[in-house]
Parts: sequence; structure tokens; C-alpha cells
Amino acid sequence: DIQMTQSPSSLSASVGDRVTITCRASQNINTYLNWYQQKPGKAPNLLIYAASTLQTGVPSRFSGSGSGTDFTLTISSLQPDDFAAYYCQQSSSYPITFGQGTRLEIK
Amino acid sequence: EVRLVESGGGLVQPGGSLRLSCAASEFTISGYWMGWVRQAPGKGLEWVANIKPDGSYTSYVDSVKGRFTISRDNAKNSLDLQMNSLRAEDTAVYHCSNIRFYGRSWYYDYWGQGTLVTVSS
Repeated sequence: DIQMTQSPSSLSASVGDRVTITCRASQNINTYLNWYQQKPGKAPNLLIYAASTLQTGVPSRFSGSGSGTDFTLTISSLQPDDFAAYYCQQSSSYPITFGQGTRLEIK
Repeated sequence: EVRLVESGGGLVQPGGSLRLSCAASEFTISGYWMGWVRQAPGKGLEWVANIKPDGSYTSYVDSVKGRFTISRDNAKNSLDLQMNSLRAEDTAVYHCSNIRFYGRSWYYDYWGQGTLVTVSS
């Protein structure tokens, strides 16, 4: 099974900050990596697919990069609506696995 | 507006069964792979199962193999998850989602709000 490890598990930041979340795969997954945002009590929402492609309608302050085993999600300038949990997910092979999540909180 | 609406959750005793359904509106599931993803209270996301558009291929996380069955009725535009021999660790909100492909890559696109399954005596 491919293990997905996110860091940090939680992060406190302020509006306007630049934030980076990392996701590491236990083996090569090329660019078969997606990022989701989830707010409390809501369904996850796709942000980035194929490691770096921004989903339609997602603000351009979100970006993704990486390939192989190391990936990053960057928010260039945090907005109040961005405080949520973020998950990476690999679609390289079964079983499909998610990272444990990063909780982004207001400082 | 595309909607996926799950139903069928509830409280069940350990060893019991439940059948979850996912109804799609303003969206035709027949051309899509579909999947179930769950989230235990206060925990992260966990993939449960995926199914091919014609139902000929399914895949499951090891912890539910032999106990859960994913199926679909394209004529009714719905997806099901039959859950047997339920355990306390199956307690979670269960979300259905369609899968969209981008080349060989794929992702979960539309999501339902989920239905809560609680396994407890």
C-alpha cells in the first residue's frame, strides 16, 4: 500500500500569510496526486488534481507542485475562507489512500 | 445544479447490516466510475470502494473486503453500498462521489454531503 504523509498536521497562520503544506508518498506516484479542502460538517472540495492543475472555480492563490514522491500545496495569501482541513490523495494504485490531513487555523 | 444525496445511514448494532444509497440529480452516473469515501468522527478521509461504469469491476479497502458490496443501478441513476457484519470501527460519515479522469490521472469530483453510520450496542 502507498502511504501518504502530510506535514504539518496542524498549522496556525494569519490572513495574508503564504502557507505551504507538504505531502510525501511512500513510493513513486508520478503526478497522480489530488488535493481537497474540507470545512467542518461539509463534503470535501477538490482544489488541485494531477498534482498541479487547478480545478475550475478555485482561486488562483492555490497552487500545487511536485512529482514522484514529494508534493506541495501552496496558498499564496491566506484569506478568511481558507481556514479548513486539507487532504492529499493518491490515485496511482489501489488501495487509494489519503494523507492524514492538515488543519489550518487562524493565528 | 448537480447533486449527490446519500441515504440509509443510522444506528445499527455490531454485526448488523445497512444499505446506503446515493441518488444523483442533474447528473447521469452511467458514464462515470463512482466511489464511496468515509470519515470517522474527528478523523481523516478513508477510501472505501470504487466501481466501474458498467459495474464489471470493483475495488475495496482491505478492512471492508468480504463485508461491503458496492453496486450501481444506472437505470435508476443510483449507487449503493451494502454493509454487512458491521463493526464499531465502521462508524463514520459515508460520502459518495463520481470519478473524473484527466488522462490516466483521476480524482473525486462531485461529492454528496454524506450519511452517518453509527455502529454501537
